[in-house]
Amino acid sequence: AQTVTQSQPEMSVQEAETVTLSCTYDTSESDYYLFWYKQPPSRQMILVIRQEAYKQQNATENRFSVNFQKAAKSFSLKISDSQLGDAAMYFCAYRPLYGNKLVFGAGTILRVKS
Amino acid sequence: KAGVTQTPRYLIKTRGQQVTLSCSPISGHRSVSWYQQTPGQGLQFLFEYFSETQRNKGNFPGRFSGRQFSNSRSEMNVSTLELGDSALYLCASSQTMGEQFFGPGTRLTVL
Repeated sequence: AQTVTQSQPEMSVQEAETVTLSCTYDTSESDYYLFWYKQPPSRQMILVIRQEAYKQQNATENRFSVNFQKAAKSFSLKISDSQLGDAAMYFCAYRPLYGNKLVFGAGTILRVKS
Repeated sequence: KAGVTQTPRYLIKTRGQQVTLSCSPISGHRSVSWYQQTPGQGLQFLFEYFSETQRNKGNFPGRFSGRQFSNSRSEMNVSTLELGDSALYLCASSQTMGEQFFGPGTRLTVL
């Protein structure tokens, strides 16, 4: 069975600084998808970024980028120029190539200090 | 396009009762997935429905069931409620196998 591990329960970053959230996963599949979701206090899950495992290029969405290391099964999220609105719980998630079942990590609470 | 809607948003039940939660997907989306979120267990996959058929199921007891209607709206039912069923229940919709869009969730409290 696939598992996703987020080893940082909580992280803090100063406004305008850069922070990296860690995620490792375990799977025997060669093709799959990885995601980072953001869940603010409203509890609305919002997709931040996605990565297809067959793509070697790391995904980027504005201030958000990932470092995808397939061999190491590592998928970290870098948030640049952190803003107060980035404060939320961040979940790393795995999805197999077929089907819509997401396997989530335990989450990392990100606090942004002004 | 309207987003995923879930009703009701909040629900209080007592042990032994049953509950039905509803999810209306984004127009055109045929897949609906359900997740349970608790402080202790985190986010766990319950099941996925696609074109009225259950396509995948998580590791939950038979008290948890669901269905999907021809208009893609989905319901999940929990019978014989237990205290441990208190959770935020999230539903997500997607096209065949695309990005999943989540609803705001239903907060269920079992007393």
